[in-house]
Amino acid sequence: GDSVTQMEGPVTLSEEAFLTINCTYTATGYPSLFWYVQYPGEGLQLLLKATKADDKGSNKGFEATYRKETTSFHLEKGSVQVSDSAVYFCALNDPGSSNTGKLIFGQGTTLQVKP
Amino acid sequence: DVKVTQSSRYLVKRTGEKVFLECVQDMDHENMFWYRQDPGLGLRLIYFSYDVKMKEKGDIPEGYSVSREKKERFSLILESASTNQTSMYLCASSLLSSGANVLTFGAGSRLTVL
Repeated sequence: GDSVTQMEGPVTLSEEAFLTINCTYTATGYPSLFWYVQYPGEGLQLLLKATKADDKGSNKGFEATYRKETTSFHLEKGSVQVSDSAVYFCALNDPGSSNTGKLIFGQGTTLQVKP
Repeated sequence: DVKVTQSSRYLVKRTGEKVFLECVQDMDHENMFWYRQDPGLGLRLIYFSYDVKMKEKGDIPEGYSVSREKKERFSLILESASTNQTSMYLCASSLLSSGANVLTFGAGSRLTVL
């Protein structure tokens, strides 16, 4: 079945460092891809999304490009801040669920940014 | 601002108790979901509903049931709580026709079963 695999964390970086969190997926159809972020004590919120191959999603300095040839959607940020410390989830929609909205999530990657 | 509200942030229950987790959304969304979040496992779908009184099993429905009597409310029920149901439970909702399936999540309910 469809699945999402993220790099294992935790990831610990110093402020202003470059961030990459790897995400690869397996899907039989043409899913949309998402990054959600969960700040401490909160629920998940959408960070960015891409709906077709070669689309780039971006928000708050974060970017991810939908790479169909490598089935990847890696999250990047050029200069992280302490406030970016959170858990990041990669997700895809079940291509057969355009009406129900089901998402399949990766394991989550914890990012800790130190001053 | 749109909201998904989970009534209890923290609950402690005993094995065998019946547990109700309530979720209310004020966005007139058709779809509602219950996920379970565990370290190293990410989010796993328990049940979802795409209309009042309609429900479908997700990936891990065993030990759980749900109720959706009104469009805005989706309840998760643990008929007889067990220690392996200790977890963070997340409710979410989305529009039926949102295309790219953007979910709005509540803050979560952390359940401990002793």
